[in-house]
Amino acid sequence: NAGVTQTPKFRVLKTGQSMTLLCAQDMNHEYMYWYRQDPGMGLRLIHYSVGEGTTAKGEVPDGYNVSRLKKQNFLLGLESAAPSQTSVYFCASAGLEQFFGPGTRLTVL
Amino acid sequence: AQSVTQPDIHITVSEGASLELRCNYSYGATPYLFWYVQSPGQGLQLLLKYFSGDTLVQGIKGFEAEFKRSQSSFNLRKPSVHWSDAAEYFCAVGLSGGSYIPTFGRGTSLIVHP
Repeated sequence: NAGVTQTPKFRVLKTGQSMTLLCAQDMNHEYMYWYRQDPGMGLRLIHYSVGEGTTAKGEVPDGYNVSRLKKQNFLLGLESAAPSQTSVYFCASAGLEQFFGPGTRLTVL
Repeated sequence: AQSVTQPDIHITVSEGASLELRCNYSYGATPYLFWYVQSPGQGLQLLLKYFSGDTLVQGIKGFEAEFKRSQSSFNLRKPSVHWSDAAEYFCAVGLSGGSYIPTFGRGTSLIVHP
């Protein structure tokens, strides 16, 4: 039982490049979330999903897209990366309590 | 809309001293309440949770928290802090019904002096 896993752990992009962050959970949870964490800002919700095939915007969705084609996976995409998207990204899944992945540290130059 | 306040951005304690981290929430009904801990470079780990029943809940690593409805608080306590407890602590509130979007406080950074 791996819980919530995230791929990759680290990534450096140049401005304008695109990338996809993968989140996988093996707990059969309906809910999945993507957060970003910046110093002094706490956790901010980017997008979330309440089940396979569904997605919804969170607090800071601009510049990001998501897809939930399979129940166990939740993908976060950056179509054209900007330096303001330099952050640590966390994925979580939930029944009643959230389980978090280890994070992806993204730097956009 | 629900909100969570952690009034202390930083707290410094000496190793072996007691600890209390404050958390207040605003919501009319009794929510689900959580405390998470985040060590440097790590993800968030659940310390304890309250759904209903006994208002004093025990968690991992010797932590406990008490739900006080009259004060809308869910403060985290530990009787004797260890140096390894130095981390960021987050309080969170979840609501039943509708979309499940927990709200997090901004976090409290715990510094432990030897």
